[in-house]
Amino acid sequence: GDSVTQMEGPVTLSEEAFLTINCTYTATGYPSLFWYVQYPGEGLQLLLKATKADDKGSNKGFEATYRKETTSFHLEKGSVQVSDSAVYFCALYTGGFKTIFGAGTRLFVKA
Amino acid sequence: DTGVSQDPRHKITKRGQNVTFRCDPISEHNRLYWYRQTLGQGPEFLTYFQNEAQLEKSRLLSDRFSAERPKGSFSTLEIQRTEQGDSAMYLCAAPIPGPTTANYGYTFGSGTRLTVV
Repeated sequence: GDSVTQMEGPVTLSEEAFLTINCTYTATGYPSLFWYVQYPGEGLQLLLKATKADDKGSNKGFEATYRKETTSFHLEKGSVQVSDSAVYFCALYTGGFKTIFGAGTRLFVKA
Repeated sequence: DTGVSQDPRHKITKRGQNVTFRCDPISEHNRLYWYRQTLGQGPEFLTYFQNEAQLEKSRLLSDRFSAERPKGSFSTLEIQRTEQGDSAMYLCAAPIPGPTTANYGYTFGSGTRLTVV
């Protein structure tokens, strides 16, 4: 079945460091791919998305490129801030009624 | 303002009691979803409404769980005879609108955190 695998956390970085959170997927067909962010005590917020191969989603300095050949959608940011500390979820949608989420990767950014 | 309001934010209940959660999308949405999130995991699909019709239910939704969406607006999720394994965050979501019927992602509520003691 369809699935999403994310790198295990937590990821701990110093402010202004480069961030990569790996995400790979298994899916039949051609999924849409998403990154969501969850801040403490809150629900998930959509961060960015890509709907077809080679699309790049971007928002708030974060980017992810839909790589069909490697079935990946890695999240990157060039310079993280303390306020980026949160849990990040990779997700895919292949049609129908549900989106499948990865287990999440917790990011801690130290000042 | 996430666009989806959930109530209560927290609920502590004794095992065996019934609980009910409410979800209010702030604007009209044909579709509404319920997900469950346990500690350290991503959200898992529970059920989906198209207007007032419940079109799909996950195998996670045992017969102790029931969801309704009267009049296609707010939705409720009830758990009867709660068990400790029901402890989780229950999230409600509405689709982010777009120019086509494609999936543009979800707006999630802040969730109801249930603790069964």
